[in-house]
Amino acid sequence: RKEVEQDPGPFNVPEGATVAFNCTYSNSASQSFFWYRQDCRKEPKLLMSVYSSGNEDGRFTAQLNRASQYISLLIRDSKLSDSATYLCVVNPLGSGGYNKLIFGAGTRLAVHP
Amino acid sequence: GAGVSQSPSNKVTEKGKDVELRCDPISGHTALYWYRQRLGQGLEFLIYFQGNSAPDKSGLPSDRFSAERTGGSVSTLTIQRTQQEDSAVYLCASSSTGESSYNEQFFGPGTRLTVL
Repeated sequence: RKEVEQDPGPFNVPEGATVAFNCTYSNSASQSFFWYRQDCRKEPKLLMSVYSSGNEDGRFTAQLNRASQYISLLIRDSKLSDSATYLCVVNPLGSGGYNKLIFGAGTRLAVHP
Repeated sequence: GAGVSQSPSNKVTEKGKDVELRCDPISGHTALYWYRQRLGQGLEFLIYFQGNSAPDKSGLPSDRFSAERTGGSVSTLTIQRTQQEDSAVYLCASSSTGESSYNEQFFGPGTRLTVL
């Protein structure tokens, strides 16, 4: 079983749609969680951290369910510019360990007019 | 300020040749990471540096792969006797410290390696 699993998609949605991505992780001791965005042939960039209480950044909402070892990302009012691959990222070692990131394979989103 | 830079941006080599990939982290960042991304796949962790030492090199796929970091700054990833399965994008990232699980890692643009 992969340490971080995501639905590869692609998700093809019209502009203005709401879309949700899910991710599961295998290490129950993991402490920190992130969503990164990767545009085609570009490097990954941090989109947002994911906190236990859930957090929102504009049109983006991230949720964490520790009991189910499940992370989600919700994008509201999709824009063409949201088209990218969204990477679910977990630090499996948590506090006391170092900043090691385990990446999911990514979920591809394509927003069309 | 300047971000993470990598060189070369593209490298085409013949099977069996050695290659060196370079990473310049953000100035002052003590932690440096190398990842590999094969086409259509996620990032695979290769090695982590804190300063000049590598406390975790567990991701290096074989003894053909090695990396070093000098002066707490520039790092080189060397692949000896390259094989076709080494073809991938090699990404370098740095963070201000490796000793917190919350510090953002900033990625360079990558080196696209093609082994013919």
